[in-house]
Amino acid sequence: DAKTTQPNSMESNEEEPVHLPCNHSTISGTDYIHWYRQLPSQGPEYVIHGLTSNVNNRMASLAIAEDRKSSTLILHRATLRDAAVYYCILRDGDNDMRFGAGTRLTVKP
Amino acid sequence: GAGVSQSPSNKVTEKGKDVELRCDPISGHTALYWYRQSLGQGLEFLIYFQGNSAPDKSGLPSDRFSAERTGGSVSTLTIQRTQQEDSAVYLCASSLVGASSYNEQFFGPGTRLTVL
Repeated sequence: DAKTTQPNSMESNEEEPVHLPCNHSTISGTDYIHWYRQLPSQGPEYVIHGLTSNVNNRMASLAIAEDRKSSTLILHRATLRDAAVYYCILRDGDNDMRFGAGTRLTVKP
Repeated sequence: GAGVSQSPSNKVTEKGKDVELRCDPISGHTALYWYRQSLGQGLEFLIYFQGNSAPDKSGLPSDRFSAERTGGSVSTLTIQRTQQEDSAVYLCASSLVGASSYNEQFFGPGTRLTVL
C-alpha cells in the first residue's frame, strides 16, 4: 500500500488558517487522497477527498500538488473545535483504509 | 438519520474470557469495517465486509479474533481468550458502495475494551 507521511503535531491560533501537509511520493494513478479527522473521544469523521484537482467543501479545502506526491489540507479559520488528529489516507476503490499516526492539531485561543 | 451504533460502549473483562462487540451499520450500507485503536495510537484495520463477498480478514492479529456479519447488516467481532494487549477502542465503520465508488466511511463511537 502506498504510504503517507505527516508531521506528528502542529499548532495554530484560533481564527487563523491552518495548512496541514501530507507527503505521498509513492501514490499511484488511481489512488484518491482522503482526509479524516478524529476529535477527542470520538470516531474519525470524513473531511474531504480528491484525485487531481483542488477541492473545496464546507469544512476545508484540499490542495493537491501537480505531481500528486503531496497534498495540503487547509482549514481557512481554525476554531477550538477543530482540535483533532488529522489523517491523510490514500485509497484505491472501496477497500479498507490504512490509517497512519496522523497530525495532532492544537488550536490556541 | 441514525448513524453507526456500537455496543457496549465500555467493556471490562478478565484475561482469558471471551467478548463480543456489536456494530449496527447505517441502513443500506453494504460495506462494513472494523478497526482498533490502542491508547494514543492511530487506527489499525482488522476486517472488511462487502456485500456477500468473502470478508477481507487480512488485518486480524491472531486466530483469537473473528467477525461475522449476519444478513448483510449487523456485525459481531468476537475475541476469544482475551489478553491484556487486546485492550483498545474497537471502532466500526460503514459505507455506501455504489457507482461512485469512493464513498466516505461513517464511524461509530467505538467500544472501549479493557482486559484486566
